[in-house]
Amino acid sequence: NAGVTQTPKFQVLKTGQSMTLQCAQDMNHNSMYWYRQDPGMGLRLIYYSASEGTTDKGEVPNGYNVSRLNKREFSLRLESAAPSQTSVYFCASSLDRAITGELFFGEGSRLTVL
Amino acid sequence: GDSVTQMEGPVTLSEEAFLTINCTYTATGYPSLFWYVQYPGEGLQLLLKATKADDKGSNKGFEATYRKETTSFHLEKGSVQVSDSAVYFCAFYSSASKIIFGSGTRLSIRP
Repeated sequence: NAGVTQTPKFQVLKTGQSMTLQCAQDMNHNSMYWYRQDPGMGLRLIYYSASEGTTDKGEVPNGYNVSRLNKREFSLRLESAAPSQTSVYFCASSLDRAITGELFFGEGSRLTVL
Repeated sequence: GDSVTQMEGPVTLSEEAFLTINCTYTATGYPSLFWYVQYPGEGLQLLLKATKADDKGSNKGFEATYRKETTSFHLEKGSVQVSDSAVYFCAFYSSASKIIFGSGTRLSIRP
């Protein structure tokens, strides 16, 4: 019963390096999301995909790009990592755009940018 | 703009104590309200929700009532257990597929 799977779980980057966080869900959900979690700031939405083939910016999209590869997969890319992007990243999914509030989260990916 | 304000943590209680975590929100209209819980090393999971004024959400002994007049959704539990130690997030459904989260309240329960 996998749910939402994120990889990698931990990553250390140097400033300027690039990387992609991968996310896959096996619940046949239409909508997927990327959040970042920072101490004292809760969760902030980076990007979301309401349905396959669409993506939209959230609160804090600068420095990130996303790809909704298919219905199952939604990746987050950092083209040129900065120390301000040190955070824990969560992927989530929901059945559809008019969500009832139940987001299903992955276990998180802890990223450190030196 | 839309926002959620939660009481700051950490909150430390003894087992079997009564718990209240305060939450107020600023939003347009009357959105659905939620409490999510994050156990150590895990992602968030939905704990309970309420979709309209005066609704009471409940789950695992936790309760929260949607108070339209005070724009609040306080989380309560009558007798906490060590296994309730976690971070709790108040949230509401905003427009355009967004759920707005509070900053989280860390709860620690002493045996």
